[in-house]
Amino acid sequence: AQSVTQLDSQVPVFEEAPVELRCNYSSSVSVYLFWYVQYPNQGLQLLLKYLSGSTLVESINGFEAEFNKSQTSFHLRKPSVHISDTAEYFCAVGRMDSSYKLIFGSGTRLLVRP
Amino acid sequence: GAGVSQSPSNKVTEKGKDVELRCDPISGHTALYWYRQRLGQGLEFLIYFQGNSAPDKSGLPSDRFSAERTGESVSTLTIQRTQQEDSAVYLCASSLLGGMTENEQFFGPGTRLTVL
Repeated sequence: AQSVTQLDSQVPVFEEAPVELRCNYSSSVSVYLFWYVQYPNQGLQLLLKYLSGSTLVESINGFEAEFNKSQTSFHLRKPSVHISDTAEYFCAVGRMDSSYKLIFGSGTRLLVRP
Repeated sequence: GAGVSQSPSNKVTEKGKDVELRCDPISGHTALYWYRQRLGQGLEFLIYFQGNSAPDKSGLPSDRFSAERTGESVSTLTIQRTQQEDSAVYLCASSLLGGMTENEQFFGPGTRLTVL
C-alpha cells in the first residue's frame, strides 16, 4: 500500500520569501508523484508531476519539486512567493503499474502575507 | 472549454435522508472518479468509471453509497440514510484516458455535504 505524509498543515510566509512544502511517501512499488493546488473556491489543479527522467520538475508559475528516491520525498519549493500563491497544496502518489488510483496527502495551506 | 462541474455546490441535509450529488465531466473524457475529502484530511478514493467497463467500487465506505454513470457523461453519487460522518466535500474528477495514474485528472469544485 502507498501513503503520503504532509507534515505541515499550514505554512505562513511573507511575500517574496522562499518556501518549501514537505511531502514524504511510502510505497512498495515504483510510483509517479504529483502536486495539486487548490485556490480558494476552485477545484484542484495539477501543478506539476514527476513521471520519469529528470528528478527536478518545474511548473509554469515558478514552483519546482525534486524527487528524492532515497529519502522518499517530493518537496515543493519556490524561491519567492506571491500573494496569489495562497492556496492549499496536495501531494499525491500513483502506482506505475497501470493503476488509476491516486493517494493524496492531507494538504498544506500556504498563507502568503504582505 | 468547460471544466468538470458539480452540483449542488453545497448541500445541508438531516440525518437519515438520502442525497444525490451530480458530476458533469469534461466532454470526451472516458474516465471519471469520485473522491471524498473530510475536514483536515486528504482525498479518499471512492469509485472509478472507465468507458463501458465495470466500475471499481472498492473505495465506497459502505453499502449506503452508490454511484452511476451513463455512458461517458453525467455521474451521480447517491448516499442513502445519511449519517453525520458523511459530512465532507465530495470531489469529482475526469481524465481523457483511464487506467494509468499518469493521465491527468481534472477536478470539479466539489459538493460540500453537511449532515445535521
